[in-house]
Amino acid sequence: EADIYQTPRYLVIGTGKKITLECSQTMGHDKMYWYQQDPGMELHLIHYSYGVNSTEKGDLSSESTVSRIRTEHFPLTLESARPSHTSQYLCASSEFGLNYGYTFGSGTRLTVV
Amino acid sequence: GENVEQHPSTLSVQEGDSAVIKCTYSDSASNYFPWYKQELGKRPQLIIDIRSNVGEKKDQRIAVTLNKTAKHFSLHITETQPEDSAVYFCAASKTPPGFGNEKLTFGTGTRLTIIP
Repeated sequence: EADIYQTPRYLVIGTGKKITLECSQTMGHDKMYWYQQDPGMELHLIHYSYGVNSTEKGDLSSESTVSRIRTEHFPLTLESARPSHTSQYLCASSEFGLNYGYTFGSGTRLTVV
Repeated sequence: GENVEQHPSTLSVQEGDSAVIKCTYSDSASNYFPWYKQELGKRPQLIIDIRSNVGEKKDQRIAVTLNKTAKHFSLHITETQPEDSAVYFCAASKTPPGFGNEKLTFGTGTRLTIIP
């Protein structure tokens, strides 16, 4: 089924560990986005990409990095996790020329202890 | 850049009553205004959107109104049901995400609770 998939769904990890949150979409969308969602709900854009080899930082400064080597794959990496990185991370995608909004993934809830 | 304010942050409504969530935006060039619903533990999903050439749009029990002069738009849910309980986000951009390189700017969210 064409959709956007995020793994893992939940992750508990120790401080200082390197982690990669996976996001893949099978819809052939060019545009992809990473949002950090507060416990208080608000969505903060941390990274986006308009296509292969294109990545940009979002409105909220983040210590994470992203890559876009393949259209369908947009992983987010934290080199050294800290408790302040504890949050929900949502991946989304959209497509040039299509007349609807974002499709979101189910999210990764990250807890750094 | 665009700034979207959303009110209220929490809203409790008796089942069967109506709920209204309001958003204001700052950039007069914004022309696309979607609403997303995020149920507990689930992903945000687009429920309705409106473009600046339309003042109101309805889809069954939900409707969105837009006042471009005042730069505000609202989500109206009538005959509320328990399954309407969720967090609702408004958003704005100059064009729909599929056209150009515009990104959505989201409001801060409204947690709607329907009281049985």
